[in-house]
Amino acid sequence: EADIYQTPRYLVIGTGKKITLECSQTMGHDKMYWYQQDPGMELHLIHYSYGVNSTEKGDLSSESTVSRIRTEHFPLTLESARPSHTSQYLCASGASGVEETQYFGPGTRLLVL
Amino acid sequence: KNQVEQSPQSLIILEGKNCTLQCNYTVSPFSNLRWYKQDTGRGPVSLTIMTFSENTKSNGRYTATLDADTKQSSLHITASQLSDSASYICVVSDRGSTLGRLYFGRGTQLTVWP
Repeated sequence: EADIYQTPRYLVIGTGKKITLECSQTMGHDKMYWYQQDPGMELHLIHYSYGVNSTEKGDLSSESTVSRIRTEHFPLTLESARPSHTSQYLCASGASGVEETQYFGPGTRLLVL
Repeated sequence: KNQVEQSPQSLIILEGKNCTLQCNYTVSPFSNLRWYKQDTGRGPVSLTIMTFSENTKSNGRYTATLDADTKQSSLHITASQLSDSASYICVVSDRGSTLGRLYFGRGTQLTVWP
């Protein structure tokens, strides 16, 4: 079992609210990632980080933002939630290396009404 | 376009039976291929990882094969158990950038019945 945590696990919120999804890992991994996954669909990378103060956008355009002030912490923020943001958000981390394995958190299921 | 296609989309088998899941990819240049297991409501967990030179790798009752020439992989599950019910995701990494970009399949939803 990987030591990567996400909170909250489930969130129901109204349109226009600001939300922050938390992700923390205790493995000392430099690399961290946020993915979005809809039911029956593949994971899409929305943000990644190679280390402190390093953040990049992924393949899927997202209105969310991320920050990496500490190695172990990689929160994702939506300034104004919309129903189109309803999805599952998965956080992952990995150590640098050719055969890097990404360890995933349990995910946050977000429902925006 | 780099893609990862998995089949079947869903599969139902009886407990104790074997099954094989397929993954075809067009990702190039190829770095490695992983199989992940994702339980409902959980994040994916890595089962196996194979590089270009590896043809087969086992992890308990899970055996993955790779044919880099035909760009095909399979995941064989032996003597299935109820706990094997999950989505199995094939993930291919390229080596075209320092990111080691990952390409995800949509997964095969396996249901094991008693």
